[in-house]
Amino acid sequence: QQQVKQSPQSLIVQKGGISIINCAYENTAFDYFPWYQQFPGKGPALLIAIRPDVSEKKEGRFTISFNKSAKQFSLHIMDSQPGDSATYFCAASIGSGTYKYIFGTGTRLKVLA
Amino acid sequence: KAGVTQTPRYLIKTRGQQVTLSCSPISGHRSVSWYQQTPGQGLQFLFEYFSETQRNKGNFPGRFSGRQFSNSRSEMNVSTLELGDSALYLCASSLDRGTGANVLTFGAGSRLTVL
Repeated sequence: QQQVKQSPQSLIVQKGGISIINCAYENTAFDYFPWYQQFPGKGPALLIAIRPDVSEKKEGRFTISFNKSAKQFSLHIMDSQPGDSATYFCAASIGSGTYKYIFGTGTRLKVLA
Repeated sequence: KAGVTQTPRYLIKTRGQQVTLSCSPISGHRSVSWYQQTPGQGLQFLFEYFSETQRNKGNFPGRFSGRQFSNSRSEMNVSTLELGDSALYLCASSLDRGTGANVLTFGAGSRLTVL
């Protein structure tokens, strides 16, 4: 019940295309859903985050879509660029005072030039 | 503004030894969390410290321990190392205003190899 399932494991997209990464969870107590981007040799960096009271959040080319009833959320990267090639992790946590994130297993994105 | 600094960046140990990893959070950040990252298990929460107190703990054996100092710097220790402890250990800090802005900033990690 504490798991966050992420798919696909890897993704190859052409430059300018849309990259879509999906995550699903079981625990309805989760109330914070961030996405992190990690480049080789670096720590994960926060990309965008959403709370369950909104269905969509957009920041530049990155959009989170959230479906509370289906317990699913996804990251959409519009106009994907080679510089977006990285590993992406979804995560979930409970409450505003904890940093015990449950991470998905990651998606390795490669954007072809 | 300096980011989260972790030392050492790389280290090699043998089974049975112990290791101490250090983390300096972003100035002003009072919460420090530790995660273990492996190819098979992904990112797994170890523990979180706030004002020198362990506030949360993950499902790791007692060989994994940590502490936080009054200046918010943190250390984690792994005793009696096993081959399976080989991983990237990530430290993350947060301002923790208690307003729900759960922004974790990660360091680059300490890569531990156990032989």
